[in-house]
Amino acid sequence: NAGVTQTPKFQVLKTGQSMTLQCAQDMNHNSMYWYRQDPGMGLRLIYYSASEGTTDKGEVPNGYNVSRLNKREFSLRLESAAPSQTSVYFCASSRTGGVYNEQFFGPGTRLTVL
Amino acid sequence: AQSVTQPDIHITVSEGASLELRCNYSYGATPYLFWYVQSPGQGLQLLLKYFSGDTLVQGIKGFEAEFKRSQSSFNLRKPSVHWSDAAEYFCAVGAGQLTFGSGTQLTVLP
Repeated sequence: NAGVTQTPKFQVLKTGQSMTLQCAQDMNHNSMYWYRQDPGMGLRLIYYSASEGTTDKGEVPNGYNVSRLNKREFSLRLESAAPSQTSVYFCASSRTGGVYNEQFFGPGTRLTVL
Repeated sequence: AQSVTQPDIHITVSEGASLELRCNYSYGATPYLFWYVQSPGQGLQLLLKYFSGDTLVQGIKGFEAEFKRSQSSFNLRKPSVHWSDAAEYFCAVGAGQLTFGSGTQLTVLP
């Protein structure tokens, strides 16, 4: 039982390049989330998927797209990377909302955009 | 809109001393409250959560937190800190989307 896994762990991009961050969970959770973490700002929600087949914008969605590929996988795509997207990205999952809203986090992807 | 404030950016305590990390929240209904811990280079791990009932909740690693509705607070406490507790601590609120505070970095002196 691996929990939440993310690939890659590290990535360096040049401005304008594109990439996809992958996330998978093996806990049969319904909801999945993408956050970015920047110094002094905590975690900010980029996109989330409350259930398979649905996605919604979070607090900071500009410059990102997501795909809920199936119940296990939720990917985050940067179409044209910018230096402002340099950050640590975390994927999380939860059974659902409300009293089952405990979120389990992956180890993160550290992205640098030059 | 929901929000979380962690007023202390950085706290330093000596090993064996007691600890209290502050968290104040704004939420329109009965809050669902969480404390997470993040060790360097790691993801976030849940320490404890409050949904309803007893306002003093126990978590892992000897941590506890008390929900005080009148003060809109959910402070984290530990009676005796260990060197391994050095990490960053995040308070969060939400029933669906979580809103996180900006975190408190804890340093433990030997």
